[in-house]
Amino acid sequence: EVQLVESGGGLVQPGRSLRLSCTTSGFTFGDYGLNWVRQAPGRGLEWVGFIRSKANGGTIEYAASVKGRFTISTDDSKSIAYLQMNSLRTEDTALYYCSRWTGGSSFSQYWGQGTLVTVSS
Amino acid sequence: DIQMTQSPSTLSASVGDRVTITCRASQSISTWLAWYQQKPGKAPKLLIHKASSLESGVPSRFSGSGSGTEFTLTISSLQPDDFATYHCQQYNTYPTFGQGTKVEIK
Repeated sequence: EVQLVESGGGLVQPGRSLRLSCTTSGFTFGDYGLNWVRQAPGRGLEWVGFIRSKANGGTIEYAASVKGRFTISTDDSKSIAYLQMNSLRTEDTALYYCSRWTGGSSFSQYWGQGTLVTVSS
Repeated sequence: DIQMTQSPSTLSASVGDRVTITCRASQSISTWLAWYQQKPGKAPKLLIHKASSLESGVPSRFSGSGSGTEFTLTISSLQPDDFATYHCQQYNTYPTFGQGTKVEIK
């Protein structure tokens, strides 16, 4: 069974950093791309970034709103993806999901339950 | 970025109604479009990808159509479990989502 479990959310002051984890199981980690998607309270979904599968180069892309502040990385030995978030802003407050691609396309077939990040002084 | 515009933002309907939600892209995305259902406090659930391919296990009352810039999600006969928010997402380029359509009880 494919599972994705996010962790690491919490309350953080503006300008500070936080690292989210996405622990996966039930599939070969490097064979699939992963998205990070966020949802601000009462708002729609916003793509944050993704990492492509190893077969597609393992390259990483970011949304303009987070580029230069957020970094995606992986620990392949543990099947974990990370989202390092620096210079956090109040507008980064959201529920953060990780999700898995299917094939080479960046739609999300499987989702975690999300982890809440609140940026506030 | 490709902008995705859903309409309506809210839809009031009754059990048994035929419901149609529209998603328009700011430029052509061929058929690189997915639809998700989201219930309060839950993660989105994939319903349809490649504009019209029904995800395994999704009831056949859900269908998708369209190509280029205009797409529709249709629920042929609304069931109590279908009251939720629906999101479209293009994946022709870096993913972008519509703002969501809430289907509520009339």
